[in-house]
Amino acid sequence: NAGVTQTPKFRVLKTGQSMTLLCAQDMNHEYMYWYRQDPGMGLRLIHYSVGEGTTAKGEVPDGYNVSRLKKQNFLLGLESAAPSQTSVYFCASSSRGAGETQYFGPGTRLLVL
Amino acid sequence: QQQVKQSPQSLIVQKGGIPIINCAYENTAFDYFPWYQQFPGKGPALLIAIRPDVSEKKEGRFTISFNKSAKQFSLHIMDSQPGDSATYFCAARRAGRRALTFGSGTRLQVQP
Repeated sequence: NAGVTQTPKFRVLKTGQSMTLLCAQDMNHEYMYWYRQDPGMGLRLIHYSVGEGTTAKGEVPDGYNVSRLKKQNFLLGLESAAPSQTSVYFCASSSRGAGETQYFGPGTRLLVL
Repeated sequence: QQQVKQSPQSLIVQKGGIPIINCAYENTAFDYFPWYQQFPGKGPALLIAIRPDVSEKKEGRFTISFNKSAKQFSLHIMDSQPGDSATYFCAARRAGRRALTFGSGTRLQVQP
């Protein structure tokens, strides 16, 4: 099993450009999450999904949109990138059952110029 | 508003030492407190977790101490090794929810 994978690993954008980050998991997990990690601020939740076709806002949702059209995929979109969105983005997934562990992907480093 | 406060920001210990990382929270609705370990260039991975009905949990060299009345919990690493050098995050989760609230992280360096 690959676990949680993220595409791309690194990207440079110009202000105003758009892009989509892809997260895929092969563990049949119901829950998926997008976090951003900034120095000295830990991980902050952007959006999350409790199942296919459902999404919800997290702590810092502004400037981002998400979609969960398939259970195994969770997409994070930036419609008009801003320098403040320079960060490392992590996707995670967890199961609905008794397991509470969130499994994280390797991250996507995004630089917005 | 930082719901989970973590300290120190960085920590250097000698091999064999016992680094201690502390976290404090305000929200009494939190019912699950995990610690995640992150190596450079990797995603965080669950290290150990505790629920507030116990005061201590030990897994190998890693121990969580939990003080419900003080709303504090801490991670102790016994006989620390250079391979333990990583960033450690505490987190908390509200009852009935799945999303985690993370602390700001502690960068630990264990010197040989």
